[in-house]
Amino acid sequence: GAGVSQTPSNKVTEKGKYVELRCDPISGHTALYWYRQSLGQGPEFLIYFQGTGAADDSGLPNDRFFAVRPEGSVSTLKIQRTERGDSAVYLCASSSGQGSTGELFFGEGSRLTVL
Amino acid sequence: AQKVTQAQTEISVVEKEDVTLDCVYETRDTTYYLFWYKQPPSGELVFLIRRNSFDEQNEISGRYSWNFQKSTSSFNFTITASQVVDSAVYFCALRMTGSYQLTFGKGTKLSVIP
Repeated sequence: GAGVSQTPSNKVTEKGKYVELRCDPISGHTALYWYRQSLGQGPEFLIYFQGTGAADDSGLPNDRFFAVRPEGSVSTLKIQRTERGDSAVYLCASSSGQGSTGELFFGEGSRLTVL
Repeated sequence: AQKVTQAQTEISVVEKEDVTLDCVYETRDTTYYLFWYKQPPSGELVFLIRRNSFDEQNEISGRYSWNFQKSTSSFNFTITASQVVDSAVYFCALRMTGSYQLTFGKGTKLSVIP
């Protein structure tokens, strides 16, 4: 399809494990965002990429979280030493240009459950 | 700091009724953008509207309309003649000029009963 694709759609892991979540943005979109949505809450900003570089990573909660976008397209969100509090839906979004219009196109998210 | 409050956690209406979803925001900035997104059960957030803080004109798009009142820091969303397909969680969001972060409210879950 032509939309934002996220894999896996569901991930169950044990506390302390490492996980990677992948986002494939809409072709040609230079801006990419990661948000985290906990149950019953609105999405919370994690990180924003413009091209290959992380232009704003102020939303990452701590140094266990890291994201990359090496070729300016696909992005991977990496979580080390997962904790139960990391359980949430991780949403990826992309937009054209520098995202100044704020018209983000979201994927369906990756639901992470940490046991 | 900025904040978005959606006081209505859940609303249920009968099909064809009109419904208004409330959104109140807080910001010290004079220029900003306001948004509404729809999140159906599939989980994908769908963009509905963006409003610039300079533009207080109300907007209508089909059965949807938005009322932006800067004096009360509100950006309410009305669905006229609701349909079952309108059932979803609706989020109001705020973005400062020069920032790429959206600040979302907690959302309002709308259930339209046939």
